[in-house]
Amino acid sequence: DQQVKQNSPSLSVQEGRISILNCDYTNSMFDYFLWYKKYPAEGPTFLISISSIKDKNEDGRFTVFLNKSAKHLSLHIVPSQPGDSAVYFCAASVDYGQNFVFGPGTRLSVLP
Amino acid sequence: DAGVTQSPTHLIKTRGQQVTLRCSPISGHKSVSWYQQVLGQGPQFIFQYYEKEERGRGNFPDRFSARQFPNYSSELNVNALLLGDSALYLCASSFTSANTGELFFGEGSRLTVL
Repeated sequence: DQQVKQNSPSLSVQEGRISILNCDYTNSMFDYFLWYKKYPAEGPTFLISISSIKDKNEDGRFTVFLNKSAKHLSLHIVPSQPGDSAVYFCAASVDYGQNFVFGPGTRLSVLP
Repeated sequence: DAGVTQSPTHLIKTRGQQVTLRCSPISGHKSVSWYQQVLGQGPQFIFQYYEKEERGRGNFPDRFSARQFPNYSSELNVNALLLGDSALYLCASSFTSANTGELFFGEGSRLTVL
């Protein structure tokens, strides 16, 4: 029973274009969401977060959108760069705890 | 500054054996969490420790146990290993037990059970 879903296992975009990574969740108790990026042979690194009281959060080239009614969030990367090529995980928690539920990840390839 | 360090990086065990994985958090971080990542899946929460006390436990059998030491380092123990325990075990640290939005992960310990 996957509470956090990332239905696209992989995504390819051209350098300079927008990358949109999607995440859906089923648990309406989730109130904090994060995106992590993972390169091979490295641990996941934090990208951006959003609280359920917001619907958008920006940090440089990265923007996360949250649609609570649809139980959907998305990560936008603009412009995409080859160094963004990695696996991206969506994660969620309840009561702002550190027991994060991760999605299965989406592998992003940014083509030069 | 040193990040989260984990040891060993790779290890091979056989079914029924026991394994101990170690984690040193970033200096000043008091919270340590353990995650299991099976190939093709996202990390799955196992434990969180803060100030040497267990603050959270995921849906794992009692064969999994952990502890945190006074210097905030941590060990994860798995007894009676099964083939399905083969995975990347990730340790993450943070300054507080509350959700500050950022966990710092180590590179992981890759366990293979034969």
